[in-house]
Formats: sequence, C-alpha cells, structure tokens
Amino acid sequence: QKEVEQNSGPLSVPEGAIASLNCTYSDRVSQSFFWYRQYSGKSPELIMSIYSNGDKEDGRFTAQLNKASQYVSLLIRDSQPSDSATYLCAVNMGRDDKIIFGKGTRLHILP
Amino acid sequence: GAGVSQSPSNKVTEKGKDVELRCDPISGHTALYWYRQRLGQGLEFLIYFQGNSAPDKSGLPSDRFSAERTGESVSTLTIQRTQQEDSAVYLCASSLVPVLYSTDTQYFGPGTRLTVL
Repeated sequence: QKEVEQNSGPLSVPEGAIASLNCTYSDRVSQSFFWYRQYSGKSPELIMSIYSNGDKEDGRFTAQLNKASQYVSLLIRDSQPSDSATYLCAVNMGRDDKIIFGKGTRLHILP
Repeated sequence: GAGVSQSPSNKVTEKGKDVELRCDPISGHTALYWYRQRLGQGLEFLIYFQGNSAPDKSGLPSDRFSAERTGESVSTLTIQRTQQEDSAVYLCASSLVPVLYSTDTQYFGPGTRLTVL
C-alpha cells in the first residue's frame, strides 16, 4: 500500500480560478504535513506546512488537514500561470524521522 | 545571502565506481536532508542530520550508501560500487531546526545529477 498518494494529473485550471490539490496518507499516526512546489528542472521549495486539523492560510494558499479522513489538501486562489508546476505532498509518519513524498500532481494554469 | 550549495552539479560515472556528493548548507542551519529524485518521480527521503547526528539511517536504499556530516556544516553522501539504478538527481536541503518538529522552512540546493553508465 502506497503511503502518500496524489493524483498525477495534469490538473488544468483556468487563470483566476481556485486550484484544488489533494493528498491521502496511510499512517494514522502521521504528525507533520508539507506541500512543496517544483518547477520543471528546478529544486522543490516548501510552500506550506500544517500540523493541526483545520485550515492554514498563507496569502493565496490554504492548506487543509483532516486527520480522521487522512487527507491533506492545498487550495490556490486566484490561480496564476506562474503557479503551473508540480506540487508534492509530503508526510512525516511520526514513528521515525522520515519524510515520505507523494509522486506529485502536475498543475497547469490556462491563461 | 548564500543558499544551499551542492557539488558537483553533474557527475557521470561508470558502473562499479564510487562517487562522493557534497552539500554545503546555509550557515547556522542545524538540520540537513538528503533526497533522491529519479526522472519523473517524486522525492525519496534518504537521511537527515540534526547537527552531525543522523537519528535514522533506514531511508538509505542499500549499504552502498553512506552519509556523514561535519559538525553543523558540510555533508557528504557516498555511493559505493554505483549501479545504473542509482542514476538520479540527489538533492540536499537544510533548515534552521528540523522541519519535522517545527514550522521552519526547508531550503533546497540545486542538486547533483548523477548518471551511471
């Protein structure tokens, strides 16, 4: 069973709309959750981390965590062409000092 | 200021040879991470250091892989007897404190692209 799952996409969203990216994880004791953005040929950059159930907002980005349902999502409001990238979900399983990544969702914002 | 640097940026080697990859974290960052990313794949967590201590080495793919860190500075990832499946981009990242337990930001280096012929 895969530990962190994401839809590979591509997810196409019109400019100005809300992009919704989802991630599910298998380990109920997971403690820390991260969203990274990776442009093609570039290194990832951490854009959000979340630890508690509920929503966490940072500018146009909102991370949502539901531990009971074992999913974490990322919403991008007012999507811009520059948001086109691969978004990686990562989870610290809590039982050790590892971070497990999903394979990423490719997001394409249509101008 | 200076970010995370890695060297070499590209490495082509023959199967069976040993390679050493270097990472210089941001000055003052106590936590350092190594990842591997195969073409078109997500990141594979290899190991992290808190200072020069690695709490858990079980993420390393095999005993051909080893890593060490000098104090809170440079780290080296060594791959012995390289195999073709080791071909990937090896990414290093650092953070002020471990992101596992904080909301600190993790900064990635540009990576080393390793090609094993």
